[in-house]
Amino acid sequence: TQLLEQSPQFLSIQEGENLTVYCNSSSVFSSLQWYRQEPGEGPVLLVTVVTGGEVKKLKRLTFQFGDARKDSSLHITAAQPGDTGLYLCADNYGQNFVFGPGTRLSVLP
Amino acid sequence: DADVTQTPRNRITKTGKRIMLECSQTKGHDRMYWYRQDPGLGLQLIYYSFDVKDINKGEISDGYSVSRQAQAKFSLSLESAIPNQTALYFCATSDNMNTEAFFGQGTRLTVV
Repeated sequence: TQLLEQSPQFLSIQEGENLTVYCNSSSVFSSLQWYRQEPGEGPVLLVTVVTGGEVKKLKRLTFQFGDARKDSSLHITAAQPGDTGLYLCADNYGQNFVFGPGTRLSVLP
Repeated sequence: DADVTQTPRNRITKTGKRIMLECSQTKGHDRMYWYRQDPGLGLQLIYYSFDVKDINKGEISDGYSVSRQAQAKFSLSLESAIPNQTALYFCATSDNMNTEAFFGQGTRLTVV
């Protein structure tokens, strides 16, 4: 059974700071997805990465997939209060989605 | 209107009661899922269905049952609710390639 770990579990920062959160898997990802869940809502897909070493950018968010396809990082530049939420990584391996426990980010104004 | 709609949004029920959570979708997807979310544990899969005649257990199916009434409808039942089933429940859909999981807004269930 694939296990996903995310770190840190909680992160509270001031507006304008940079941050990085991490996702690690006990086995190679089929493809890795990052979701953001805002309070009172369901998770929403941010990005999908497939190739080892792949880097994708989404405005102030940079997603990196490890060369061995077992880990990933999400870097946010100049965080804003609107970035507050739970960030989940997931593997969509064909039959189902396996989710990590998430990093809960709070960006204070 | 939301693509994936869950009802009710909030529910408080007593131990031993039967309760049903409903999910409907307008995405036209065949695949539907029920997840449970607890703090620090992420999303745990309860049941999933790949079409109307297909029902599969997930990692935490004990104490739960499901019904796929139509392509667009997938309901989750707790036959006899217990307090440790207090959680946030999410329904999700995806296409047959699992390109993306589309979630409902969740049902917050409290069993007292």
